[in-house]
Amino acid sequence: KAGVTQTPRYLIKTRGQQVTLSCSPISGHRSVSWYQQTPGQGLQFLFEYFSETQRNKGNFPGRFSGRQFSNSRSEMNVSTLELGDSALYLCASSLAASWNEQYFGPGTRLTVT
Amino acid sequence: GQQLNQSPQSMFIQEGEDVSMNCTSSSIFNTWLWYKQEPGEGPVLLIALYKAGELTSNGRLTAQFGITRKDSFLNISASIPSDVGIYFCAGQPSQGAQKLVFGQGTRLTINP
Repeated sequence: KAGVTQTPRYLIKTRGQQVTLSCSPISGHRSVSWYQQTPGQGLQFLFEYFSETQRNKGNFPGRFSGRQFSNSRSEMNVSTLELGDSALYLCASSLAASWNEQYFGPGTRLTVT
Repeated sequence: GQQLNQSPQSMFIQEGEDVSMNCTSSSIFNTWLWYKQEPGEGPVLLIALYKAGELTSNGRLTAQFGITRKDSFLNISASIPSDVGIYFCAGQPSQGAQKLVFGQGTRLTINP
């Protein structure tokens, strides 16, 4: 069974631009969670989607948004990029509830210049 | 909100040594998970624990769900060079938002 895939793997953007990241969960998994990972802050929860609905949300500004499609694939969008948004963005999928075993993708490395 | 205190932050050991790390919280958790992350990759799930007192092994790795439900431990026996990486604990709090909370990680370095 294929694992979680994320595209693109690397991205360079400039301040003020917007970016969309994509995540395809493991087949059959309906929950997708997004995390931001930085050296100083560790893994920070962004939001979780289940059956196309946002079920949980972390403490990030409204510039960070996401959505989930009927095939469980998910996208996250960051608008008006800031330098501090440079990070590894990780997507994780699980069968149902987000507190079950989550399986992570390889991440998208975003650099904002 | 709930926080996990993971220790130690880093470890430098010799190949063949045993490793112990732990995660503690002031809150009760329903689930404990342990992950390993290597450079340029996402975290890989190693062990999942669902009941207080549960002891689970995965090869040379053994993890325990603390009796108080406020802590968890991970042990690695007879370390080898490929054990190098950052180990994260994660837990699902019994109260509050239904999401995983992560520790800050333990960076393991092994001298051959």
